[in-house]
Amino acid sequence: GESVGLHLPTLSVQEGDNSIINCAYSNSASDYFIWYKQESGKGPQFIIDIRSNMDKRQGQRVTVLLNKTVKHLSLQIAATQPGDSAVYFCAEIPPRRALIFGKGTTLSVSS
Amino acid sequence: GAVVSQHPSWVICKSGTSVKIECRSLDFQATTMFWYRQFPKQSLMLMATSNEGSKATYEQGVEKDKFLINHASLTLSTLTVTSAHPEDSSFYICSASDRTASFGEKLFFGSGTQLSVL
Repeated sequence: GESVGLHLPTLSVQEGDNSIINCAYSNSASDYFIWYKQESGKGPQFIIDIRSNMDKRQGQRVTVLLNKTVKHLSLQIAATQPGDSAVYFCAEIPPRRALIFGKGTTLSVSS
Repeated sequence: GAVVSQHPSWVICKSGTSVKIECRSLDFQATTMFWYRQFPKQSLMLMATSNEGSKATYEQGVEKDKFLINHASLTLSTLTVTSAHPEDSSFYICSASDRTASFGEKLFFGSGTQLSVL
């Protein structure tokens, strides 16, 4: 079935470093993508989204890049902080379908 | 921002009993709500799409008679796990779509319900 995969299950960085979390999606017709952050025992928290007609979108300390040619998404977190430690999921929305989550990358930030 | 309230946050029940989980959109009307299930260290898997006033649409492999979904109003959807068994133990999460936004934009998630069946 369809799935959105992430390249690395875990990522460990030092506080202050920039983090890059990658994701490969499967449906070339997906027109909307979202990055979520999930802390233990909680629901996903919206971080940033991007439509398929864009290739880059910036938020506060975060940037999402979309490469439709290779069906690749990335989330860049600038100046990573301990509070950024969580599991990060990318998700895609294919036409007329509900959100499909990827497998998740656990980000660990050490001081 | 929009808030989705999910209750209870955790529940422990005996095998064979039924458990109801509520999902409420507090400050917006949600024509569509989604129910997800998440096992430890795994991703969220969509169980069903709940549409206000109509039957839910279940994903392949999800038992309709076991996971009863009701979406009787624009602000409330319920998931009832009937005759729960230990293998139903999981983290259940709902999300709601703001009807005033374009489909898919800014889906809001509840805080999840941890179900433990003894």
